[in-house]
Amino acid sequence: DAKTTQPPSMDCAEGRAANLPCNHSTISGNEYVYWYRQIHSQGPQYIIHGLKNNETNEMASLIITEDRKSSTLILPHATLRDTAVYYCIVRPPEVSGAGSYQLTFGKGTKLSVIP
Amino acid sequence: SAVISQKPSRDICQRGTSLTIQCQVDSQVTMMFWYRQQPGQSLTLIATANQGSEATYESGFVIDKFPISRPNLTFSTLTVSNMSPEDSSIYLCSVQGAGYEQYFGPGTRLTVT
Repeated sequence: DAKTTQPPSMDCAEGRAANLPCNHSTISGNEYVYWYRQIHSQGPQYIIHGLKNNETNEMASLIITEDRKSSTLILPHATLRDTAVYYCIVRPPEVSGAGSYQLTFGKGTKLSVIP
Repeated sequence: SAVISQKPSRDICQRGTSLTIQCQVDSQVTMMFWYRQQPGQSLTLIATANQGSEATYESGFVIDKFPISRPNLTFSTLTVSNMSPEDSSIYLCSVQGAGYEQYFGPGTRLTVT
């Protein structure tokens, strides 16, 4: 899986948009960008993924640059419940063989939503 | 998406005993996974469990220590055998979605004394 770089922490005011960047300059053509988050003491939660087009779902939007070397996860109206560590993972969608299903989360970005 | 439940949510066990963790999914899925998350650490994949075949274990994990059952497409169990304090962790099951994303259960917090 390609290496990703994320800022260690960010603050966001409640009700404002939270924009979380991820750098993945070594991404390969068949690798997707996946975002997960982990709220303290809970299991990880899948948020969104994409290949090259921007994606939106009920939780967030994903903006991928044209060269695919970076992306931004956007939480349009952050709430206190969005306080969590957010992980950007780059990997091919179809994998096989031992070790290939392992999700390597790295250190992520700790997002604090402030009242 | 998939809704996943795990039982028990937490347990405190004595060393040398075994604990079986259950994972129930609200829809039929082919791929299920078991992870361990030790305190302050990232997730480590223990094994992949496909219905109708033997589980595939990752390096460092063996069937005698972590036997897995997968009797149908909505259920799996992970047993932590002959426990020691080093097995104290959060154990998570997950399933693979249509876009190869993974959906996780709430986890089972295990403390071995």
